Amino acid sequence: GAGVSQSPSNKVTEKGKDVELRCDPISGHTALYWYRQRLGQGLEFLIYFQGNSAPDKSGLPSDRFSAERTGESVSTLTIQRTQQEDSAVYLCASSLAASGTDTQYFGPGTRLTVL
Amino acid sequence: AQTVTQSQPEMSVQEAETVTLSCTYDTSESNYYLFWYKQPPSRQMILVIRQEAYKQQNATENRFSVNFQKAAKSFSLKISDSQLGDTAMYFCAFLKNTNAGKSTFGDGTTLTVKP
Repeated sequence: GAGVSQSPSNKVTEKGKDVELRCDPISGHTALYWYRQRLGQGLEFLIYFQGNSAPDKSGLPSDRFSAERTGESVSTLTIQRTQQEDSAVYLCASSLAASGTDTQYFGPGTRLTVL
Repeated sequence: AQTVTQSQPEMSVQEAETVTLSCTYDTSESNYYLFWYKQPPSRQMILVIRQEAYKQQNATENRFSVNFQKAAKSFSLKISDSQLGDTAMYFCAFLKNTNAGKSTFGDGTTLTVKP
């Protein structure tokens, strides 16, 4: 595709349920990033992938959060046993490589609401 | 750990005028990148401008320019000839060279351009 896509665009779930968020990066981009954006706040780094490996998972808030990437393309972010504080927009970005000189291109995000 | 501070939660400017958004950061690193991103109300984040810390010359991109003061750890964004389409939230971000996947973002400045 022409840009980074994310699905679903909106997700409403009940507290305690598991959710999966999907990110399709730009074709050929080896680096992929996940961020969380709470209402009116900046982006909070969660994890990034270089290829299929995740060199830095330090931003994952708890062990309820996990992410994987297969085939150097699609990535899924899974949140288990969701809590109300997980409500936020989850943004994905991709770049040619994880480098300061390579521009990150962002997707439109998934708005997660936990009731 | 790096921190990024944007001290102006909201700003406004008249169309065609110039506005400057402030950003300060804290780091012990010597090699890093600084970015300004724009997030219009539609939510998709885009890169506005990038500055490499080892370059003394301030980056410019058309109507957008930065004032990078490395010793003061200051990185402000100047928007000249403001246009209605510049209305957005602007985020300052930091990326260190040794971990080029993990960006640190400020909390953002909401800019409104008035006709």
